[in-house]
Order: sequence, then structure tokens, then C-alpha cells
Amino acid sequence: GQQLNQSPQSMFIQEGEDVSMNCTSSSIFNTWLWYKQDPGEGPVLLIALYKAGELTSNGRLTAQFGITRKDSFLNISASIPSDVGIYFCAGQLSFGANSKLTFGKGITLSVRP
Amino acid sequence: NAGVTQTPKFQVLKTGQSMTLQCAQDMNHNSMYWYRQDPGMGLRLIYYSASEGTTDKGEVPNGYNVSRLNKREFSLRLESAAPSQTSVYFCASDGLFDPQHFGDGTRLSIL
Repeated sequence: GQQLNQSPQSMFIQEGEDVSMNCTSSSIFNTWLWYKQDPGEGPVLLIALYKAGELTSNGRLTAQFGITRKDSFLNISASIPSDVGIYFCAGQLSFGANSKLTFGKGITLSVRP
Repeated sequence: NAGVTQTPKFQVLKTGQSMTLQCAQDMNHNSMYWYRQDPGMGLRLIYYSASEGTTDKGEVPNGYNVSRLNKREFSLRLESAAPSQTSVYFCASDGLFDPQHFGDGTRLSIL
């Protein structure tokens, strides 16, 4: 099945640095979601985007829904050690009968103290 | 508010054994999902239930069955476990304008 493109597979940054991740698709989506997964736990929703061009913040996190509806990015500012984890993007056509998510394979973020 | 609860958290099975993974959500969501997560493969959809009384195959349904017992509960059954089914299994649910929320997973090893 289709998957979203997230690269690189791993990122290593220094505590205090900003980091940006993007997610691209060959298909249009009407909703973009960003999740974070800590070791041994399930993915937790960070930010949901519902409108092309939308820019949404959640604390030190900022995400944008691309104008073409085929991409999204997530920015983490002033990283801290607890930002370590796997970050997944997901696209969704609509809620309801076609509400299945299409996921990227995730980016593993490491933060050096 | 518990969200999505999965049981058990860990399980070891022998090849050929059967078991059922349980999932319950308390968010009044209509839709529920079962995924498996394997290294390098991301999250892959096994089965989903768009609403109570309906179930549909996802990307990797072979070797699994599901039951949507009621609006809250969605179980995943392995009838004859195989080593290739060793994985971490996640249940998720969503509703209208409420994105998917995940449980903490079941770590399943099949020897």
C-alpha cells in the first residue's frame, strides 16, 4: 500500500537546537496528523491539520499543511532530551467511511545533551 | 479518562496456538483499527471497523480475524499463530473530527 515519504530515517541533534521534519506524498490528503512514539508506548497525537496552508503550534512544536495538500512539515524548537522518540506523519482523506490513515515510516530523533 | 486500553501488554505463544487481543475505547468513537508495527515497516493496517457491526480488511489481514463486539470493543484473533506474526500490535479509534488515538500496544512473540 501507499506510504508517505519521511526521510532521513534518523536524525541526531544537540539539545537546544531546532529541527525540522517533512513528509511528502504523491496523493492529496485533506487532513495531516503528526504523532510521536516513545519507546514501549503507542503513538501519541501531537498536531492535527485540517486546511491547506494551515500553520498550527503546540508549545515548541509547529506544523504546517502544505498548499498543494501533498506535504506537511513539523518543526521542533529548542529541543530537549524528552523530545527523543519516533515522529510519524499520517495523511487522511476524510473522516467517516474513508478515514483510514496513510503513515510514513517515521523519523527517529536523538537529542544529545 | 483511559482512552484506548489494550490487553494483554505482553504475550509469548508457541507456533500453532491461538489467542485473542482485546481492545476497548471509552471515547464514544465509531471507528476502530488494528495495526501491526515491525522494524523498518512502519504501522500497517490489519483490519478496521468503520462502525459497529462492520469490519473490513486492511493491508495485511491474512492470518487474523476480528470481532467488533460493540461500540467500545474490537478484538483481534490469531487462530494459529506463526513466527511471522511476532510483532507489536496497536489498536486505535477515531470519531468524527476526532483523530485516531492509539493504545499502548501488545508485544507478541511467537516461538
